[in-house]
Amino acid sequence: GAVVSQHPSWVICKSGTSVKIECRSLDFQATTMFWYRQFPKQSLMLMATSNEGSKATYEQGVEKDKFLINHASLTLSTLTVTSAHPEDSSFYICSARDPGLAKETQYFGPGTRLLVL
Amino acid sequence: GQQLNQSPQSMFIQEGEDVSMNCTSSSIFNTWLWYKQDPGEGPVLLIALYKAGELTSNGRLTAQFGITRKDSFLNISASIPSDVGIYFCAGQLRGSNYKLTFGKGTLLTVNP
Repeated sequence: GAVVSQHPSWVICKSGTSVKIECRSLDFQATTMFWYRQFPKQSLMLMATSNEGSKATYEQGVEKDKFLINHASLTLSTLTVTSAHPEDSSFYICSARDPGLAKETQYFGPGTRLLVL
Repeated sequence: GQQLNQSPQSMFIQEGEDVSMNCTSSSIFNTWLWYKQDPGEGPVLLIALYKAGELTSNGRLTAQFGITRKDSFLNISASIPSDVGIYFCAGQLRGSNYKLTFGKGTLLTVNP
């Protein structure tokens, strides 16, 4: 299947700092990417839809000023957690939709574990 | 929001046994996807289903898209220790802008 990468795979930061996470589609162009967060022993929760060349669409309850999303190219979306706090510690996962496929499929990245001290 | 009811929450089985898990919803879905997630990693796509009644296999895995379009099941035959992990169903609603709704997952433990 298609490959989606994330960088970094894990990050530890101090409270109040900002952290940027990258999501790349390696062998296809993704006009749409999605950002999820996952707490331990829970399912994936959709945070926002990242659209290439336009503003991201955020799910209810997700602060757009805190979780900045930029989808500047067809293969890269970034999520910046601004002024991170300990409660932002979580597993962040992106997925990418391959529009070139006849049938709808989404591929997930390996995830980024964020720990805010 | 939409919810998918996935069951069972967890399963403990012996190596070699068959496993079945399912997802149901009150909403009609256009697409059902089954993923497996290992600890500390992202979900990996196992099977994708696009038509009501569709039955698809991937090795020892078989999944079906329910006739009512409101449910799907995943079967694993002759389980092996590496089948351990969390299995998620995900559905896509028509007009949802490709967003997926996830079930809460089924934790599978296989005793060798």
